[in-house]
Amino acid sequence: DAGVTQSPTHLIKTRGQQVTLRCSPKSGHDTVSWYQQALGQGPQFIFQYYEEEERQRGNFPDRFSGHQFPNYSSELNVNALLLGDSALYLCASSSTNVLTFGAGSRLTVL
Amino acid sequence: EDQVTQSPEALRLQEGESSSLNCSYTVSGLRGLFWYRQDPGKGPEFLFTLYSAGEEKEKERLKATLTKKESFLHITAPKPEDSATYLCAVQGGGSNYKLTFGKGTLLTVNP
Repeated sequence: DAGVTQSPTHLIKTRGQQVTLRCSPKSGHDTVSWYQQALGQGPQFIFQYYEEEERQRGNFPDRFSGHQFPNYSSELNVNALLLGDSALYLCASSSTNVLTFGAGSRLTVL
Repeated sequence: EDQVTQSPEALRLQEGESSSLNCSYTVSGLRGLFWYRQDPGKGPEFLFTLYSAGEEKEKERLKATLTKKESFLHITAPKPEDSATYLCAVQGGGSNYKLTFGKGTLLTVNP
């Protein structure tokens, strides 16, 4: 089992650009959550997708949007990037309340 | 709003020197308290879930306990491979699916 797979692993963008991050959940999991982890901080909840719908959203602006596909994979989109968006973006999948995390996508905004 | 505070921020131990990490929390209707381990450049790895005060769980050199206001992660006779950041998170009640994490405790075990 490959676990949770995220791509890309690293990327560099400039302010104002847009980025799309991708996540394939662990086999058997139907729920995908996204978290943002700044350096030296704990992960912060962005949103969760279940049955292709956003089920819950954290305190993030509308620049952050997502999608879940019929095969349960998911995308996180961030528009109009700011320097403060630089962080590790973690995808987690689950079928219960125990999350399995991927290794993350490290985004650097210059 | 759910809150999690972890202490200490960093802890340095000698191999074999037992200690405890603390996680204090405030939450409306606890559905679960979670401990994760995170190695540098990797995603968090699940360790334990605790659901009610008095509950304890063990895995190798780690033991997690829960009270109504805090949780402890006890590390017995640690080894260098136990070095990592340990994250605590809570899930509140109701229609709440998110985990609220603390900042973590960076544990370093020297040989």
